[in-house]
Amino acid sequence: KAGVTQTPRYLIKTRGQQVTLSCSPISGHRSVSWYQQTPGQGLQFLFEYFSETQRNKGNFPGRFSGRQFSNSRSEMNVSTLELGDSALYLCASSSAVGEKLFFGSGTQLSVL
Amino acid sequence: DAKTTQPNSMESNEEEPVHLPCNHSTISGTDYIHWYRQLPSQGPEYVIHGLTSNVNNRMASLAIAEDRKSSTLILHRATLRDAAVYYCILREYTGGFKTIFGAGTRLFVKA
Repeated sequence: KAGVTQTPRYLIKTRGQQVTLSCSPISGHRSVSWYQQTPGQGLQFLFEYFSETQRNKGNFPGRFSGRQFSNSRSEMNVSTLELGDSALYLCASSSAVGEKLFFGSGTQLSVL
Repeated sequence: DAKTTQPNSMESNEEEPVHLPCNHSTISGTDYIHWYRQLPSQGPEYVIHGLTSNVNNRMASLAIAEDRKSSTLILHRATLRDAAVYYCILREYTGGFKTIFGAGTRLFVKA
């Protein structure tokens, strides 16, 4: 069974631009969640989706948004990028909300 | 939000047991306790999780205090491959699940 796939693996953007990251969950998993990892703040929860509905959201500004499609694939978008948005963005899937998480390798975003 | 507190780092000798502690004094009754570990340049990997009772699997054991305000991840025989950052996580149910990460414990394993 293929694992969680995140694309792209690396991304370089400049301040003010927007970015879209993609996540394909494990086949059959309907819950997808997103996380930001930085050396200073560690791992922080962004949001969780189940059956195309956002079920919970972390404490991030509205510039961070996401969505989930009917095939459970998910995207997250960051608009008006800031230098502080440079981070590893991780996606995780689970078979149901609350079950163990399977993480992808992440997208390393650098904002210049 | 509930919080978890872990030691910054711990050291173990190879083939000896390791006990990784986590405090979560503000845990609520519906919060699940999860443990994950992360190697460099990889996403976190699931280790074990539980709600109230102690849990065992092929990787580790999870001991949960009776009042649930703390838990301990037990690696029975540490190997060099177990060197990683270990995260104690609360999966907090608020209509959906919110995942609260601690700062993690970096485990060093000496040969």
